[in-house]
Amino acid sequence: AQSVSQHNHHVILSEAASLELGCNYSYGGTVNLFWYVQYPGQHLQLLLKYFSGDPLVKGIKGFEAEFIKSKFSFNLRKPSVQWSDTAEYFCAVNPYGNNRLAFGKGNQVVVIP
Amino acid sequence: EAQVTQNPRYLITVTGKKLTVTCSQNMNHEYMSWYRQDPGLGLRQIYYSMNVEVTDKGDVPEGYKVSRKEKRNFPLILESPSPNQTSLYFCASSLEGRGNSPLHFGNGTRLTVT
Repeated sequence: AQSVSQHNHHVILSEAASLELGCNYSYGGTVNLFWYVQYPGQHLQLLLKYFSGDPLVKGIKGFEAEFIKSKFSFNLRKPSVQWSDTAEYFCAVNPYGNNRLAFGKGNQVVVIP
Repeated sequence: EAQVTQNPRYLITVTGKKLTVTCSQNMNHEYMSWYRQDPGLGLRQIYYSMNVEVTDKGDVPEGYKVSRKEKRNFPLILESPSPNQTSLYFCASSLEGRGNSPLHFGNGTRLTVT
């Protein structure tokens, strides 16, 4: 079955540490890729997206993600996290032309002040 | 303000008592969808709608119904709720459903079925 995999479901790190969250998908062909963030008690918000062009995309709040087509990956990074980055992060994949968006199971990130 | 509005935010009900969770968007979006979020399972799609009068099943449609009579509204109906439908539900919309536009989410409805 086609799927989206996120590893290290629970991540705990200190402020100023670097963060990298992995996302792998199993769809072939062209895909649109998203990262969404869910702060405690809130709804999901778009962090960044990739449709085409430069595989390194920058989003809000200093986040960036790199699309590596050969590895079917779209990893999320932030060089220096803050306490306010405590949230759950979801990778989502949409095969081009498909009207379904598949989500990974999420990464719960806790940043300790 | 552009938004997706869900009601109610919290709902406690008993097994078998029909309920409806409303969802409305004011962005003239074509595509609307319902998800449920459960710990360790992420978001799973229940139903989606590409446009008015067009709905289709997602990954976990059993026990749910939807309707799309108007572009702005996409209610989720549980005809006979059961405890395994206790979950956090999100409605979402986007400009179109072909994956070229991001989803806008509502604030969620936390449903408890006893």
